[in-house]
Amino acid sequence: GDSVTQTEGQVALSEEDFLTIHCNYSASGYPALFWYVQYPGEGPQFLFRASRDKEKGSSRGFEATYDKGTTSFHLRKASVQESDSAVYYCALDNTNTGKLTFGDGTVLTVKP
Amino acid sequence: GGIITQTPKFLIGQEGQKLTLKCQQNFNHDTMYWYRQDSGKGLRLIYYSITENDLQKGDLSEGYDASREKKSSFSLTVTSAQKNEMAVFLCASSITGEEQYFGPGTRLTVL
Repeated sequence: GDSVTQTEGQVALSEEDFLTIHCNYSASGYPALFWYVQYPGEGPQFLFRASRDKEKGSSRGFEATYDKGTTSFHLRKASVQESDSAVYYCALDNTNTGKLTFGDGTVLTVKP
Repeated sequence: GGIITQTPKFLIGQEGQKLTLKCQQNFNHDTMYWYRQDSGKGLRLIYYSITENDLQKGDLSEGYDASREKKSSFSLTVTSAQKNEMAVFLCASSITGEEQYFGPGTRLTVL
């Protein structure tokens, strides 16, 4: 079946550091890829999506590029802030029905 | 904008008990979802519904029932709660195939 692997379980950075969270997927066909962010006590929030090879999604300074060759959708941000501390989830939809497969999440902690 | 409301916020039950979680959305979305979130794990889909009275099983449907009484509401029933079960149950809605909007969750504890 389909799967999403997030390499980092936890990432600790200082403000203004560069962020990379790695996301690789395994799926037949051509899935849509998503990033969601979850703050404490809340449900996940949609960040952005990409649906085709080389498409870049972006929001709030975060970005990721769909790479079908390496089956990856890595999340990046040039300069993180303390307010970016949250759990980040990569997900895919291979059916176009909204049935998402999520990775295990990456806890980002940013120190001032 | 819209909102997703989940009730109750906290649910404590006894082993073997049948427990029901409720979800309401005012986005007028067709599709609604129930996920289970365990600590340190991603979200796993329990059930989803693409229209009123429709039900589709997710990867984690065993031990759960669901009901889509009307477009705006989607209920989840834990048919027999298991001791030491602790998880957050998240409801979401969307236009089918588009981004999902999540509620704040119901935290379940089984004694």
